[in-house]
Amino acid sequence: DAKTTQPPSMDCAEGRAANLPCNHSTISGNEYVYWYRQIHSQGPQYIIHGLKNNETNEMASLIITEDRKSSTLILPHATLRDTAVYYCIVSPNTGTASKLTFGTGTRLQVTL
Amino acid sequence: DAGVTQSPTHLIKTRGQHVTLRCSPISGHKSVSWYQQVLGQGPQFIFQYYEKEERGRGNFPDRFSARQFPNYSSELNVNALLLGDSALYLCASSMTASGANVLTFGAGSRLTVL
Repeated sequence: DAKTTQPPSMDCAEGRAANLPCNHSTISGNEYVYWYRQIHSQGPQYIIHGLKNNETNEMASLIITEDRKSSTLILPHATLRDTAVYYCIVSPNTGTASKLTFGTGTRLQVTL
Repeated sequence: DAGVTQSPTHLIKTRGQHVTLRCSPISGHKSVSWYQQVLGQGPQFIFQYYEKEERGRGNFPDRFSARQFPNYSSELNVNALLLGDSALYLCASSMTASGANVLTFGAGSRLTVL
């Protein structure tokens, strides 16, 4: 599996957009980009995933560069409840097989 | 609807003992995965089962084993516990129609080995 690089920590003011970057320069053509987050003392929570097109859902937007070597997760209006560790993961979507390789993620602190 | 449920939530064992952790997936989810999360690190993949068959195994010793039952629930067993096995053990399920990597995690079982 390709590896990802994320900044260890970021701060964001409540109500502002949080832009979390991820580098995945060795991503393969069949690998998707997944984002999960983990709020303290809880299990990870799926946020969004994409292959090469930008994606948006009720939680966030995912922007993937044209060469697919990096991506950005955007939380449009961060709240205190978005304080968490955010994991960027690349993995092939092989149907019934699953093996996600979590790194150390980005610790996002949302402040008043 | 109930999410992924895990039991027990907390447990304390001593070195050399064995432990069984249990997981019930979301109704309709046929895939179950197990992850170990040591304090300060991201979750590490242990096993994945789909339709009662092992589909993947991480880099863990043979002391770790798992199985999936006909109702898709799963057990993770760890024998001859070591201090380093102290961790949060996470179970996740997925509906493969959405892609096997779209996981819903439980809250985990926190194991402390003394």
